Amino acid sequence: QVQLQESGPGLVKPSGTLSLTCAVSGDSISSSNWWTWVRQPPEKGLEWIGEIYPSGSTNSNPSLKSRVTISLDKSKNQFSLKLNSVTAADTAVYYCARKPYGSNKIDYWGQGTLVTVSS
Amino acid sequence: DIVMTQPPLSLPVSPGEPASISCRSSQSLLHSNGYNYLNWYLQKPGQSPQLLIYLGSNRASGVPDRFSGSGSGTDFTLIISRVEAEDVGIYHCMQALQTPFTFGQGTKLEIK
Repeated sequence: QVQLQESGPGLVKPSGTLSLTCAVSGDSISSSNWWTWVRQPPEKGLEWIGEIYPSGSTNSNPSLKSRVTISLDKSKNQFSLKLNSVTAADTAVYYCARKPYGSNKIDYWGQGTLVTVSS
Repeated sequence: DIVMTQPPLSLPVSPGEPASISCRSSQSLLHSNGYNYLNWYLQKPGQSPQLLIYLGSNRASGVPDRFSGSGSGTDFTLIISRVEAEDVGIYHCMQALQTPFTFGQGTKLEIK
């Protein structure tokens, strides 16, 4: 069974950098999947942040693109998200997820982690 | 970006009754391969989203057959033939035709 688990600080100061890691089990980070980040601000809908393929190719939401970095660590079977210059608007539950290559569906999701941006 | 719209925001339904949830996209989700790149997810209270329907009408593994998806182009519907108490939560539609992938604002299904 594929499992994803987010980890990282739950509180980030304004103008700082949000850093999260997603540990993957039950599948290899080198397999044919797009490893994905999605977020959900409190009481709002879901927002796709971006994705990375094992080759290192990435796609990001243009609304966040200049602030987002997504990377892979194949030795640890995990992938990461960095979002810089954060503001209160970046407060959200952040989910990591898997989207198989050639598929249009995000099929496995982590449980999510709340990140609050506040001084 | 493709804008996804899901009216209404809240849908009260009695147990055993059918429910219909709508989703509309600002442009067609019909790919040249004949498939509609539209997914449905259910987010139960306190949980992460779970895949219900993909490619507009295909049930994901383990999803009860009381859930079905229909529609094409820009108008889609998720139908629950007989609502059960465990079906409460927020239903999200998502377009996966082009990046940035986008979601509707969600429809909250409540039991009367």
